[in-house]
Amino acid sequence: AQKVTQAQTEISVVEKEDVTLDCVYETRDTTYYLFWYKQPPSGELVFLIRRNSFDEQNEISGRYSWNFQKSTSSFNFTITASQVVDSAVYFCALVDTGRRALTFGSGTRLQVQP
Amino acid sequence: NAGVTQTPKFRVLKTGQSMTLLCAQDMNHEYMYWYRQDPGMGLRLIHYSVGEGTTAKGEVPDGYNVSRLKKQNFLLGLESAAPSQTSVYFCASSSHRDWGNEQFFGPGTRLTVL
Repeated sequence: AQKVTQAQTEISVVEKEDVTLDCVYETRDTTYYLFWYKQPPSGELVFLIRRNSFDEQNEISGRYSWNFQKSTSSFNFTITASQVVDSAVYFCALVDTGRRALTFGSGTRLQVQP
Repeated sequence: NAGVTQTPKFRVLKTGQSMTLLCAQDMNHEYMYWYRQDPGMGLRLIHYSVGEGTTAKGEVPDGYNVSRLKKQNFLLGLESAAPSQTSVYFCASSSHRDWGNEQFFGPGTRLTVL
């Protein structure tokens, strides 16, 4: 069975601080995809990134960056110079190769104070 | 394109009542999913469908039924609502072409069962 663990339930930072959200996953598949989604206070789910298990290159998109390490089964997400608009719940997820459904972590609530 | 839409957005039911949640997508996706989101638990898969006329159980299927009579629609039914079914329900769809494809989510339905 697959599992995604986001041990940080809630993080509070002050604007302009850097913050890293941790994600640890378990799967027996040798090929898999990992995702990060953002859920702002309005409630919708916003896709941020997809990473496949063959690509361990780190990715940077503006203030966002992702560190994927197969050796530790982690896919961590860093926000640089956080802003109030980054306040949201962030979910890490792993896709199931059979059903193609997502297994979600429990989410990390990020609060960025002005 | 509207993407994935859900009807209704909010609903309050009394214990024992029944209702149907409608999900529609206009992206010609083969795969469709129903998830529920409860506080502190992330999203969990209820049922899913890999194509018109097919449905299958996810992690938490008890108390729900689904139907996929048309490719673009995926219905979630509650025959006899219980307070434990109070939750936010998300529908999603994805393309069959790449099993690691992004899932597109609807805006959610907030259901309260009294």
